[in-house]
Amino acid sequence: NAGVTQTPKFQVLKTGQSMTLQCAQDMNHEYMSWYRQDPGMGLRLIHYSVGAGITDQGEVPNGYNVSRSTTEDFPLRLLSAAPSQTSVYFCASTSKGAGNSPLHFGNGTRLTVT
Amino acid sequence: AQRVTQPEKLLSVFKGAPVELKCNYSYSGSPELFWYVQYSRQRLQLLLRHISRESIKGFTADLNKGETSFHLKKPFAQEEDSAMYYCALSGLGGTYKYIFGTGTRLKVLA
Repeated sequence: NAGVTQTPKFQVLKTGQSMTLQCAQDMNHEYMSWYRQDPGMGLRLIHYSVGAGITDQGEVPNGYNVSRSTTEDFPLRLLSAAPSQTSVYFCASTSKGAGNSPLHFGNGTRLTVT
Repeated sequence: AQRVTQPEKLLSVFKGAPVELKCNYSYSGSPELFWYVQYSRQRLQLLLRHISRESIKGFTADLNKGETSFHLKKPFAQEEDSAMYYCALSGLGGTYKYIFGTGTRLKVLA
């Protein structure tokens, strides 16, 4: 039972480079989301999706793109990395149903932009 | 605005002492409140949710709609409780968005 899988675990980028953080879940969850975790600022929502083909912005979407072509995958793209994007990124998913189910988190990706 | 506030960045207590991690929220509708915990080198995981009204690892939390609070309590802290604790709110307009507080690091001293 893999749950939510994020790759890579660590990444170092130079300013201006692009990359994609991968997130996959095998629980058939409709809802998927990306957060960044920064000291003193907690978890901030970047983008989220309530189903395949549907995405929306969270609190801090600038500099990031997402797409949801399948239920399982929700990649996060950094088009031109900046030092301000140095952070730990978490993907999370949950199912839609009666009430709001708790989030299931991946292990995180630690990104450093130099 | 919808917001979750955790006023303490760090809370240090001695083993066996009571613990209270504060969480206040701002939300116009009927929210669902959660506490998540992140132990060292582990992923975030659900600790408890208000609709369950259960005690997990000795922790409890009661939703107080009048004070818009959802404080996390434990009568006797253990060293293994040392972790980062996040209060979270969901049910925002039916969009399933989850908003987190800034987190409180709990250190239980021997």
